[in-house]
This record gives sequence, structure tokens and C-alpha cells, in this order.
Amino acid sequence: TQLLEQSPQFLSIQEGENLTVYCNSSSVFSSLQWYRQEPGEGPVLLVTVVTGGEVKKLKRLTFQFGDARKDSSLHITAAQPGDTGLYLCAGARSSNTGKLIFGQGTTLQVKP
Amino acid sequence: ETGVTQTPRHLVMGMTNKKSLKCEQHLGHNAMYWYKQSAKKPLELMFVYNFKEQTENNSVPSRFSPECPNSSHLFLHLHTLQPEDSALYLCASSQGPGQGISGRRNEQYFGPGTRLTVT
Repeated sequence: TQLLEQSPQFLSIQEGENLTVYCNSSSVFSSLQWYRQEPGEGPVLLVTVVTGGEVKKLKRLTFQFGDARKDSSLHITAAQPGDTGLYLCAGARSSNTGKLIFGQGTTLQVKP
Repeated sequence: ETGVTQTPRHLVMGMTNKKSLKCEQHLGHNAMYWYKQSAKKPLELMFVYNFKEQTENNSVPSRFSPECPNSSHLFLHLHTLQPEDSALYLCASSQGPGQGISGRRNEQYFGPGTRLTVT
């Protein structure tokens, strides 16, 4: 079974703190995406990483793809209450099927 | 606004009812997906359609019947559901096999979901 393990599953922090969410697998992925989902809504795509070792930044969010393309991390600097939500990583084994394997998600709560 | 719409947003139905969920994408994509999201469970892929053809049925019970009349529309027909089928049903679309830039081909764009409650 192809699994993507996310950690931690739950995180509650104060505004201004930094945090890192991890997404790990024993499988190699052709690409990996990160999504954020707010209650009652669908996941929204944040970023796609494709190349091993790739780092992408989106304002205070930094995404990294592992060198072996088996893992990824999301780092948030100076978290804001607006960052609250469910963060999902999803990996594609093939670049041509469209099928994604989703992690179980990390629920982040940022308190003012 | 992701370019993917779903109706209805909320649905309450009895176990003997028949209802349908609708999804429409305005992104020019060729692949569409149905997912089920239950509390404390990962997203479960149900069906995949590429160029209107079903390419994956992830062992979904026959009380869920998908329909894809064209690349922009996807339906999920529901009948004789069980209370455990209550969940958020999400539709998504992507460029499709062999389309666009390889690294971005798997990017999926989700609708807001239909919150289904089976009583």
C-alpha cells in the first residue's frame, strides 16, 4: 500500500510562532502537492514540487521536496490566525495518470 | 473560486431516496474525480474519468453511480444510501493524461463539496 504519512496530525500554536509539517513515504513520487482546506470547503492547491531538493516559497510558507522525492516539508514562519486549516500533502506516482495519494492531513490552529 | 462548482452544497436524504450530485468545471480540463471525505479519515478516491471515460472505480458500492456526459460535467447518482455514507463529497478536475506541462499535470482543483447527511 502506498502511504503518505503526515506529522503532526494536530498542531495548536500562538500567533507569531514558526512550525513545520512533514510528509513522508517509502515511495518515490513524480510530483507532490500541498493543499489547504478550510472547514466546509474543498482543498485549495498551494504549491507543486517536482524536482528532488526543490524549494518553493509562498509568502511565509516554504515548501521543500526531499532529494530522493520521497518526502516533503512545509514550514510556516510567523504563523497568523488566517493560516488555520487542514494541510494536505498529495503525491503522484506517475506524471500521466492524474491519480494522487493523499496524506491524512495536519490540522493547524493558530490562536491570536 | 477554483473554477469547479458543485451543487447542492448541502443535502439531507433518507435511505430510500434517490438524489444526484452535480459538478461542473470551467478550466478546460479533461480529467474529473469524485472523492469522499469523512471525519478523521484521509481523502478517499472514488472514481476517475479521463476524457469522459471511467478509468478507475475504487471498489465503490453500486449505490453510488457516476456519470460523465462530457469533460466539463460529472454527476454522482445516489440511491438507497446508508447512514455511514454521510460525508463531504468532493469533485476535482485536472488537465488529464498527456496534457499540458508534465510537472503540473497532476494538479487537482477541487470544488467546495457537497455535505451529505443520510438519515
